[in-house]
Amino acid sequence: DARVTQTPRHKVTEMGQEVTMRCQPILGHNTVFWYRQTMMQGLELLAYFRNRAPLDDSGMPKDRFSAEMPDATLATLKIQPSEPRDSAVYFCASGLERNSPLHFGNGTRLTVT
Amino acid sequence: TQLLEQSPQFLSIQEGENLTVYCNSSSVFSSLQWYRQEPGEGPVLLVTVVTGGEVKKLKRLTFQFGDARKDSSLHITAAQPGDTGLYLCAGAGSGGGADGLTFGKGTHLIIQP
Repeated sequence: DARVTQTPRHKVTEMGQEVTMRCQPILGHNTVFWYRQTMMQGLELLAYFRNRAPLDDSGMPKDRFSAEMPDATLATLKIQPSEPRDSAVYFCASGLERNSPLHFGNGTRLTVT
Repeated sequence: TQLLEQSPQFLSIQEGENLTVYCNSSSVFSSLQWYRQEPGEGPVLLVTVVTGGEVKKLKRLTFQFGDARKDSSLHITAAQPGDTGLYLCAGAGSGGGADGLTFGKGTHLIIQP
């Protein structure tokens, strides 16, 4: 059963440190999304890629967040420097075009102290 | 920005009862998806509705897409403890399902035995 894999599952870090989250999308999916989930805001779209090209990152604080897809099997989301308000669960999802479902990973729970 | 409002935000009922949760917007969506999320996991797709007025059934779950494609409802008959979870609706704009879905904040559903 194909799955989206995210690492690490949990990350605790101090304010100011760099955080890197990784995602392996489902093989053959050409679209990759990064979402952030908090109780207050729900699921917020941060960025998405199609065929490894960034299409929209308007939901991301660009001064500290960056998202890349170095190859078709790896997507990364970096925060530098991290702040306590970045504490959330970060989800990666992959999919195909046009009305097909999104497949989510199990998320990275980030805590910044 | 397309917004989806879900109601109620929280719902706790006894096993065997029926319930309906709602997903409303002032925007028109090309399709709407319902996901269920359990603690520590990512959302998992339940159903996609595409046509205005469409009704889809998944065992005890009935999903309806409004005629104007602006709203949707999920009805659960004879709820069971296994139905407990966060139910999310997500709307796809003109770009289709894999073009950055807009998620509602979800309905937290607890079914008590």
